[in-house]
Amino acid sequence: QKEVEQNSGPLSVPEGAIASLNCTYSDRGSQSFFWYRQYSGKSPELIMSIYSNGDKEDGRFTAQLNKASQYVSLLIRDSQPSDSATYLCAVNNYGGSQGNLIFGKGTKLSVKP
Amino acid sequence: EAGVAQSPRYKIIEKRQSVAFWCNPISGHATLYWYQQILGQGPKLLIQFQNNGVVDDSQLPKDRFSAERLKGVDSTLKIQPAKLEDSAVYLCASSSFSDTQYFGPGTRLTVL
Repeated sequence: QKEVEQNSGPLSVPEGAIASLNCTYSDRGSQSFFWYRQYSGKSPELIMSIYSNGDKEDGRFTAQLNKASQYVSLLIRDSQPSDSATYLCAVNNYGGSQGNLIFGKGTKLSVKP
Repeated sequence: EAGVAQSPRYKIIEKRQSVAFWCNPISGHATLYWYQQILGQGPKLLIQFQNNGVVDDSQLPKDRFSAERLKGVDSTLKIQPAKLEDSAVYLCASSSFSDTQYFGPGTRLTVL
């Protein structure tokens, strides 16, 4: 059973701080990794994708991947109240359009003004 | 570019009734996915289509759930008969040749 594990939170950070969200996955052969943001009552929205070990930055967001440790993280710098949402980690075990996503349960982030 | 469309947005039914959900993917996207998201959980794949064909339906409860994508575009997901535990949001997503999936707004199903 392929699994993706996340701390369900809630994770509470003050406005302007760095929020750190973590995810581990069980299938060592996993190819691609995604972070989705989901506001309450809305559908998941893609924030970042990462395919290679190391860091990938996009604005205030940085995704980090360590395949040896089977670990993916998302850092949100200068957190804003509008970042308050549930963050879903997802892993594609095959890659490309042949695969499908296995999601974690999500981490609920709350950014306090 | 229009996003993934789904209807209805909300549905309330009694247990043992049947229900159907419709999805229209982003134009040109060959791959279509149906996910079930129970409150407090991440989405779980029910079925994946590549054009008309089924790629993965290993987690679809086939005794009560069915799905089709007859012309390789729109898709319908049906539940018959519904159970209380089917209360969830049903999400449709699509992708082109990459593995980036784009989600529709979802259908929130309540089974009473």
